[in-house]
Amino acid sequence: EPEVTQTPSHQVTQMGQEVILRCVPISNHLYFYWYRQILGQKVEFLVSFYNNEISEKSEIFDDQFSVERPDGSNFTLKIRSTKLEDSAMYFCASKSLMDSPLHFGNGTRLTVT
Amino acid sequence: GIQVEQSPPDLILQEGANSTLRCNFSDSVNNLQWFHQNPWGQLINLFYIPSGTKQNGRLSATTVATERYSLLYISSSQTTDSGVYFCAAPRSLTGGGADGLTFGKGTHLIIQP
Repeated sequence: EPEVTQTPSHQVTQMGQEVILRCVPISNHLYFYWYRQILGQKVEFLVSFYNNEISEKSEIFDDQFSVERPDGSNFTLKIRSTKLEDSAMYFCASKSLMDSPLHFGNGTRLTVT
Repeated sequence: GIQVEQSPPDLILQEGANSTLRCNFSDSVNNLQWFHQNPWGQLINLFYIPSGTKQNGRLSATTVATERYSLLYISSSQTTDSGVYFCAAPRSLTGGGADGLTFGKGTHLIIQP
């Protein structure tokens, strides 16, 4: 069964550094998402992306965050200057149609020290 | 936006027991998903169930959208069923096709041998 793949699985970075989290959504999917989960808390929506542009973003997704689909397969989340509170599991997700299930990758655990 | 509440927050059962997890949402929705987050943090798709009943092995789910709830049934529990079970609904009724999901806080299930 096709999967959403995310790399790396773990990333440790120092405060103030830029990080790029990478995702390869399922190949025929059209809608792409980033979510985050702070340890022990619920999964929170960050941003959705469709037709090569951001469709929706939450209040968490401030100017420090950006997303890009640089080619036909990759979908990236960049955090420009990481803060301690950015430490979380970041999930990429995709779906094929408007009314279809969302499929999640295995996540990237980001630790900011 | 849509509010999602899950109950109970925690549940400890012996292997072989049956359980019912509940998800209430604040408005009629056209999309409802159940996920299992395993101890490694992976979010596993269980059901995409906007309405009606579906079964998959020992698991089944029922959504009554008009009454704003969904139930997840786990029969003959096994230790591998342990983890957190999340339900998720669209973030808003007025969002477009790319609108993301909002998650409940989850039910933390522990199955003891």
